[in-house]
Amino acid sequence: DTGVSQDPRHKITKRGQNVTFRCDPISEHNRLYWYRQTLGQGPEFLTYFQNEAQLEKSRLLSDRFSAERPKGSFSTLEIQRTEQGDSAMYLCASSSGTSGSIYNEQFFGPGTRLTVL
Amino acid sequence: KNEVEQSPQNLTAQEGEFITINCSYSVGISALHWLQQHPGGGIVSLFMLSSGKKKHGRLIATINIQEKHSSLHITASHPRDSAVYICAVMRFQGGSEKLVFGKGTKLTVNP
Repeated sequence: DTGVSQDPRHKITKRGQNVTFRCDPISEHNRLYWYRQTLGQGPEFLTYFQNEAQLEKSRLLSDRFSAERPKGSFSTLEIQRTEQGDSAMYLCASSSGTSGSIYNEQFFGPGTRLTVL
Repeated sequence: KNEVEQSPQNLTAQEGEFITINCSYSVGISALHWLQQHPGGGIVSLFMLSSGKKKHGRLIATINIQEKHSSLHITASHPRDSAVYICAVMRFQGGSEKLVFGKGTKLTVNP
């Protein structure tokens, strides 16, 4: 399977613990996106990488959230000191394209469902 | 008011019925996605379009850029079409692209 993969698929943690999620994009895609989706809502943008550079971060991404893409391939999203409000589906997507180009279709991973008790 | 509005929020149909889901947006966009999300959570891209109409099997998507409106149609609906359908617009700002999503339309097709 050469699609976008995410690990783990499910994570249950206690409030105050740190969690880390991983996303492996489609191999030739240079753009990678993280989204968060709460129950009954559409996904919301969190952050975006072009290669290893983090180009944009949403105001939703508090200081407890950090994302990296060190080699321009896989990415990690870490949440420190988790809160119950962090419970959501965390989605990763990737696309190809160069800066300034448009019409870059995004391909989504299966998501990581986080439950904070 | 959300930048992307979908209607209806919930839709129940009988197998074989023609389905229409609508999406209106209030911002300038470079393209519009229709996405399908099954209960497991994974999202599949159905269409990306910036003008006119696209067809894939029983699915048809149209967009009217002037009216800032798009529709997703499903012909001869089937229970396996039951899912949440999400409209997302691609905004191109400051050298980066961002998808802004609607809340989704939950479709249930009964046999």
